[in-house]
Amino acid sequence: AQKITQTQPGMFVQEKEAVTLDCTYDTSDPSYGLFWYKQPSSGEMIFLIYQGSYDQQNATEGRYSLNFQKARKSANLVISASQLGDSAMYFCAIYNNNDMRFGAGTRLTVKP
Amino acid sequence: EAQVTQNPRYLITVTGKKLTVTCSQNMNHEYMSWYRQDPGLGLRQIYYSMNVEVTDKGDVPEGYKVSRKEKRNFPLILESPSPNQTSLYFCASSLGRSWLYGQFFGPGTRLTVL
Repeated sequence: AQKITQTQPGMFVQEKEAVTLDCTYDTSDPSYGLFWYKQPSSGEMIFLIYQGSYDQQNATEGRYSLNFQKARKSANLVISASQLGDSAMYFCAIYNNNDMRFGAGTRLTVKP
Repeated sequence: EAQVTQNPRYLITVTGKKLTVTCSQNMNHEYMSWYRQDPGLGLRQIYYSMNVEVTDKGDVPEGYKVSRKEKRNFPLILESPSPNQTSLYFCASSLGRSWLYGQFFGPGTRLTVL
């Protein structure tokens, strides 16, 4: 079975600085997708970024980038130039064969 | 506006009283799924559906039922709710196996079973 691990229950970052949220995964399937979602205090789940297991380049979406290290089975999310509105829960997820697994999440707090 | 809607958003009920949480999407998505979110556990998949009349169990299906009679609707049914089903529930949809843009999530339903 697939597994996702987020080892940081909480993280703090100063406004305008960059922050890395860790995510490691375990799967025996060579084909999979990796996702990051943001959940603000209002509760909705917001899709941020996707990385396919065969993608050669790391995914980027605006201030979000995914540091994909396939050999290490890690898919860390990097947020550059943090903003106060980035304070939220962040979930990493892995998908393949109709099975989607989420990590326990990391609560990011951006300090002014 | 493309969206996934869930109703109700909040529900307090008692043990054993059957309830249904509705989910509807207006994007003609083939794939729909239900998750529950509990503190420290992230989101866990309950059931998913690849298309009309095609449903399958996810990670934690016990105590839940689903149906997919129409493409846009995917209700979650709790025949006899118990307190351990108190949770935040999300419905999601996507373009079948096209995961490139992730899943669209509904706003969530917070269920309390007393």
